[in-house]
Amino acid sequence: NAGVTQTPKFQVLKTGQSMTLQCAQDMNHEYMSWYRQDPGMGLRLIHYSVGAGITDQGEVPNGYNVSRSTTEDFPLRLLSAAPSQTSVYFCASSPPGAYGYTFGSGTRLTVV
Amino acid sequence: GNSVTQMEGPVTLSEEAFLTINCTYTATGYPSLFWYVQYPGEGLQLLLKATKADDKGSNKGFEATYRKETTSFHLEKGSVQVSDSAVYFCALSDKTSYDKVIFGPGTSLSVIP
Repeated sequence: NAGVTQTPKFQVLKTGQSMTLQCAQDMNHEYMSWYRQDPGMGLRLIHYSVGAGITDQGEVPNGYNVSRSTTEDFPLRLLSAAPSQTSVYFCASSPPGAYGYTFGSGTRLTVV
Repeated sequence: GNSVTQMEGPVTLSEEAFLTINCTYTATGYPSLFWYVQYPGEGLQLLLKATKADDKGSNKGFEATYRKETTSFHLEKGSVQVSDSAVYFCALSDKTSYDKVIFGPGTSLSVIP
């Protein structure tokens, strides 16, 4: 089992560029989430999904867009990158209930 | 809203020392509680969990007990090893919010030989 796969692992963008961070899971988990990790701030929820076709905003959704057309995939789109979006991004998935998340290995994004 | 507070780090301990990392939470319902660990350069891994009051989660020598009366979920280990050096995150999820997980800020632990 691959678990949760994130691509790319590293990315450098220029201000104003757009890009998509990919996330795929092969565990048939209904729930998927995107977090960003910044020093001293822990993980903050960007967007989450409770199933294909259903998404909602987390704590810090501005500047990001998501869609969930399949159970397996949950891409995160940066519409117009800003230096404040420099961060490490983690995708996670779980079945419904208090099972705990399975995390991907992260994407380190730098916006210059 | 729901929130998680952890003790400030970094924490530095000698090998075989006793570890406690404090965690307290605020929640409107009856959350489930978790500890995650993040080793350098990696994603987070679930370390242990507890889903109701007085439950004790345990794994790899780590333990934490869900204390509803003090809204706490402190992480303990009797004898730490160098390989335990990592960042530890306390977290909660609430079934009334689709099990969204809220994380604390993390506590960095360094264990020296």
